[in-house]
Amino acid sequence: ETGVTQTPRHLVMGMTNKKSLKCEQHLGHNAMYWYKQSAKKPLELMFVYSLEERVENNSVPSRFSPECPNSSHLFLHLHTLQPEDSALYLCASSQLRGTGNTIYFGEGSWLTVV
Amino acid sequence: EDQVTQSPEALRLQEGESSSLNCSYTVSGLRGLFWYRQDPGKGPEFLFTLYSAGEEKEKERLKATLTKKESFLHITAPKPEDSATYLCAVHPQGAQKLVFGQGTRLTINP
Repeated sequence: ETGVTQTPRHLVMGMTNKKSLKCEQHLGHNAMYWYKQSAKKPLELMFVYSLEERVENNSVPSRFSPECPNSSHLFLHLHTLQPEDSALYLCASSQLRGTGNTIYFGEGSWLTVV
Repeated sequence: EDQVTQSPEALRLQEGESSSLNCSYTVSGLRGLFWYRQDPGKGPEFLFTLYSAGEEKEKERLKATLTKKESFLHITAPKPEDSATYLCAVHPQGAQKLVFGQGTRLTINP
């Protein structure tokens, strides 16, 4: 079983649809993240959850709504998206500690907004 | 502002031709520097963490080094299966996130 599992791997949705991305980590970590990866741009941090509390929200539009019901699960709820939101959405987890936190990524969910 | 710049943007090598990728960074304080490998259509795969200047880590044909301003990923006698995008990231002091560079796309021709 892989460390961080994301579903679905591919999603096509219309601009008026509502869908959700799901992430589960099997590493016993206490922090989870959503990153967005667009072509030719660095990975962009969207949200950070530490001990199930949202600790960072990088000016993400409200059409993206995260949910972290427990330390192993993370969701990204999507509604009324725009075509420019098409990207690879990566979930990650880490164990927070004093020195640099190594984060481990899932395989990503490819989102296409039509 | 914390910033990471990777060079070159793309690198094409022949099999067996050694080279280095560069990661320059500016941070207020460094808690760690990370290297990842990303294959097309997949999530980044963790390679190394470096914590202080002078530190080195090795894994198969890869060796990562760190100074106070930059990190290098040295690739010795690469094989076609080493073709991927290599990402560098820093963990700044006081932050709970990594700041990523834009990556170096490496292609190894047989």
